[in-house]
Amino acid sequence: GDSVTQMEGPVTLSEEAFLTINCTYTATGYPSLFWYVQYPGEGLQLLLKATKADDKGSNKGFEATYRKETTSFHLEKGSVQVSDSAVYFCALRDAGGTSYGKLTFGQGTILTVHP
Amino acid sequence: EPEVTQTPSHQVTQMGQEVILRCVPISNHLYFYWYRQILGQKVEFLVSFYNNEISEKSEIFDDQFSVERPDGSNFTLKIRSTKLEDSAMYFCASGRSQETQYFGPGTRLLVL
Repeated sequence: GDSVTQMEGPVTLSEEAFLTINCTYTATGYPSLFWYVQYPGEGLQLLLKATKADDKGSNKGFEATYRKETTSFHLEKGSVQVSDSAVYFCALRDAGGTSYGKLTFGQGTILTVHP
Repeated sequence: EPEVTQTPSHQVTQMGQEVILRCVPISNHLYFYWYRQILGQKVEFLVSFYNNEISEKSEIFDDQFSVERPDGSNFTLKIRSTKLEDSAMYFCASGRSQETQYFGPGTRLLVL
């Protein structure tokens, strides 16, 4: 079945550092890929998405590129802020005909940014 | 900006009791979902609902679980006889299409 693997956390960075959170996936079809963010005490918020190979999703300074050849969707940000401290989830949606939008999530990566 | 809302935010119940978790999806959305996250584990899909019926469900979603859209606004998840292992954060999500889902803040359920 489909699966998503994220890099082990937690990740601790200083403000303005470069961020990479790795995400790789296994899927039988051509999935859509997502990054969700969960701020403390809140629900999951869609951060960005990409629906086909070589697409780049971007939002709030975060970027991720859908790499079919390496089955990856790594999240990057050039300069993190304290307010980026949250849990980041990589997810996929199987685009196959029997899917009704079910998301498969990675285990989440806790990011803490210090001033 | 419209949001998915969930009530209650926290629920404590005794093992064997029935609980109903409530969600109000975004008003023009057609696809509805429940997920759960046991503490320290992945977010897991439970069920999807479209056109007034279950469209897909996971192995977790056994006979103890049911979903309902009793009116035009609410979407509920019922657990008939709760077990200790049902303790988790339960997330509702909705989408105008299957492509993108918007999540509520979650209900933290604790079964004692």
